[in-house]
Amino acid sequence: RKEVEQDPGPFNVPEGATVAFNCTYSNSASQSFFWYRQDCRKEPKLLMSVYSSGNEDGRFTAQLNRASQYISLLIRDSKLSDSATYLCVVNGGDTGRRALTFGSGTRLQVQP
Amino acid sequence: NAGVTQTPKFRVLKTGQSMTLLCAQDMNHEYMYWYRQDPGMGLRLIHYSVGEGTTAKGEVPDGYNVSRLKKQNFLLGLESAAPSQTSVYFCASSYSGTSGGARWETQYFGPGTRLLVL
Repeated sequence: RKEVEQDPGPFNVPEGATVAFNCTYSNSASQSFFWYRQDCRKEPKLLMSVYSSGNEDGRFTAQLNRASQYISLLIRDSKLSDSATYLCVVNGGDTGRRALTFGSGTRLQVQP
Repeated sequence: NAGVTQTPKFRVLKTGQSMTLLCAQDMNHEYMYWYRQDPGMGLRLIHYSVGEGTTAKGEVPDGYNVSRLKKQNFLLGLESAAPSQTSVYFCASSYSGTSGGARWETQYFGPGTRLLVL
């Protein structure tokens, strides 16, 4: 089982739609969680951190469910510029292990 | 402030050749990482460094070596390239801290190096 699992998509949605991605993680000791965005042939960039209480940044809302070990990202009023791959990222949780574990990504295509 | 830069951007190698990928960051970050990204696999950690002069193995270290002689630079070496090492290589640097008892970390990525091994 992969440590971080995501539906690869693609999610094809019209402009203005609301779309949600989920991600599950296997390490219950994971401490911190993130969503990164990666445009085609570009480097990943941090979109937002995910806090236990849930957090919102403009049209983007992230939620964490520790009991079920999943993270979600909701995008409202989709724009063409939101088309990208969204990576779910989890901190390893082990004191002896550095770095983050990345999911394979969910591809979003927003259509006019 | 250039952030994280990588050299070269693209390279073609023949099987058995060697090369070094250079990563540089000007943010004074302690931690640096090398990842490879393959279709359907996501980013996989090759090696990382928690400070100048220190390195450690990641998830897929075989066939690669690294060095961190200066804080701002992290080098990835391929001694004898193989077709299986055809990939996109990303370097990242980060700072971290704790908040509410949980550790958080923000990684900044370089633009990537596309490597083709024939």
